[in-house]
Amino acid sequence: DAKTTQPNSMESNEEEPVHLPCNHSTISGTDYIHWYRQLPSQGPEYVIHGLTSNVNNRMASLAIAEDRKSSTLILHRATLRDAAVYYCILGYTGNQFYFGTGTSLTVIP
Amino acid sequence: DAGITQSPRHKVTETGTPVTLRCHQTENHRYMYWYRQDPGHGLRLIHYSYGVKDTDKGEVSDGYSVSRSKTEDFLLTLESATSSQTSVYFCAIGGSSGNTIYFGEGSWLTVV
Repeated sequence: DAKTTQPNSMESNEEEPVHLPCNHSTISGTDYIHWYRQLPSQGPEYVIHGLTSNVNNRMASLAIAEDRKSSTLILHRATLRDAAVYYCILGYTGNQFYFGTGTSLTVIP
Repeated sequence: DAGITQSPRHKVTETGTPVTLRCHQTENHRYMYWYRQDPGHGLRLIHYSYGVKDTDKGEVSDGYSVSRSKTEDFLLTLESATSSQTSVYFCAIGGSSGNTIYFGEGSWLTVV
């Protein structure tokens, strides 16, 4: 199963953009790239997902490299409520979704 | 919310006793998953289901069994609870739309 690599932690100043990277060099052609985030004592929350093209929604943007071996989650203006652990995972419904340990994002006021 | 209810939300039990956690969905999704989360390990997949009576093992399935007798319910059973199974358990569901999965609020289990 394809795995992902993320930095353990990152910091960002409030109201500045945040770029969270994810490497997935062994991604298969059917794997979607999913991003979730988790606040303390809560279940993971869906953020965004994509297959090949860049994606935007109200929460974030997902930039996918042309060779699909890496991707970046972009939070356009970080707020204190964005402080969470962010997980980048590969998979598709019906397959096993494997989570790593994610990136812990700290937002500095 | 994605229409997922986990029960119980909190439970303390003694070593050696059986425990069943229930995941109930109202979305009619085909796929359901059980994860556990421990400090330093992130989320790890225990078992998942791809339909009624169709289940498969995840990466940490030892000591756990599951059953899915109807679409809306996915049960996780610890036949004889051990202290190493003290954890937070999350259920997730996935369906035909979006090719992604959605999580419940978690069940906190303490085995003493």
